[in-house]
Amino acid sequence: GEDVEQSLFLSVREGDSSVINCTYTDSSSTYLYWYKQEPGAGLQLLTYIFSNMDMKQDQRLTVLLNKKDKHLSLRIADTQTGDSAIYFCAERGGGSYIPTFGRGTSLIVHP
Amino acid sequence: NAGVTQTPKFQVLKTGQSMTLQCAQDMNHNSMYWYRQDPGMGLRLIYYSASEGTTDKGEVPNGYNVSRLNKREFSLRLESAAPSQTSVYFCASSENNEQFFGPGTRLTVL
Repeated sequence: GEDVEQSLFLSVREGDSSVINCTYTDSSSTYLYWYKQEPGAGLQLLTYIFSNMDMKQDQRLTVLLNKKDKHLSLRIADTQTGDSAIYFCAERGGGSYIPTFGRGTSLIVHP
Repeated sequence: NAGVTQTPKFQVLKTGQSMTLQCAQDMNHNSMYWYRQDPGMGLRLIYYSASEGTTDKGEVPNGYNVSRLNKREFSLRLESAAPSQTSVYFCASSENNEQFFGPGTRLTVL
């Protein structure tokens, strides 16, 4: 089946930028997502990008897509302690409405 | 709008007991899903329902059954719980590009 890979942990200092990386295998992916899960809560959509885009920026969040390498990244500028959470990458192919999720990256922000 | 609601929030079962996890959404979405989340495993799809009256198996359906009671409600049933079903269960609904998740049910099977 299709696969989405992420590193499990990332630790940064408050005020620094965080970059969370994701790779996927489905060459027909049309939508790529970043979800955030805070402790004890469900997932919440942060942002998504269409496969015909290279970049999307939304306030402190920047998503970069390298379709050739099937690589997606999420950059959080000026990371705050409130950004500590698990971040899930997900992709959805054009022929399916069901996304495939990565295992999630735990972002730990140190004061 | 409450979004996606799930009951109960927590449950402890003994091996062999049965229970039903309830899920409801008030966004008039056609598609609904049940996932389980285990440490280091991410989200795994158990069952989904593309529309009222239809259900399909996901990645890990064994040991579970579902009912799409109406457009709002999608329940997950464990007929004979096993310790391997200890997990956090999330219900979600979607329309177009975004999935909306409930707060989860934390289930422990002893």
